[in-house]
Amino acid sequence: DAGVIQSPRHEVTEMGQEVTLRCKPISGHNSLFWYRQTMMRGLELLIYFNNNVPIDDSGMPEDRFSAKMPNASFSTLKIQPSEPRDSAVYFCASTLQGHYTEAFFGQGTRLTVV
Amino acid sequence: GDSVTQMEGPVTLSEEAFLTINCTYTATGYPSLFWYVQYPGEGLQLLLKATKADDKGSNKGFEATYRKETTSFHLEKGSVQVSDSAVYFCALSDPGSSASKIIFGSGTRLSIRP
Repeated sequence: DAGVIQSPRHEVTEMGQEVTLRCKPISGHNSLFWYRQTMMRGLELLIYFNNNVPIDDSGMPEDRFSAKMPNASFSTLKIQPSEPRDSAVYFCASTLQGHYTEAFFGQGTRLTVV
Repeated sequence: GDSVTQMEGPVTLSEEAFLTINCTYTATGYPSLFWYVQYPGEGLQLLLKATKADDKGSNKGFEATYRKETTSFHLEKGSVQVSDSAVYFCALSDPGSSASKIIFGSGTRLSIRP
């Protein structure tokens, strides 16, 4: 397996534009997590899914952020409209819930909103 | 709720020094415990794990023992190298839950001087 795949690796966009980040989890994993990492706030859990269903989205900063998981092999995190304070590295991770396995992280998407 | 507390960084050591990064946790169940490492520009990757009390996880010269009586999982290495410079995250998850999240500490930045 190629691991968790995120795209794009880097995204630069103008304030007010819509941004969509993509994630392909490891095949067979049933839980998926979206994290945001900044120097100021560290690693923050935004939302996580179990069997494609959102379980906890309390970390989503505001209504401008939304996440979907239409099937077991794909998830998106959308920011609309984007703001400069959304600049961060966004990580996706997946795991096999209910087993003694760790989470596997993607390489991250570095988002810069100018 | 469940939580993880780890020592704040940055931690700066000389090469071949002994390393300890403290981690304590709060959990209602019987969690699995993890240490992740993040090298510059990369995602988090598992360093070691322990799934039950008194288990010792080890990898690349790093060790951590699951201490239920002190609710701790301190990371140690006898002789650090420059290549160990990274950010280290302590984390827990409850494998017995069908939909639990993975909880991370705030991370500890480690810098090793040649």
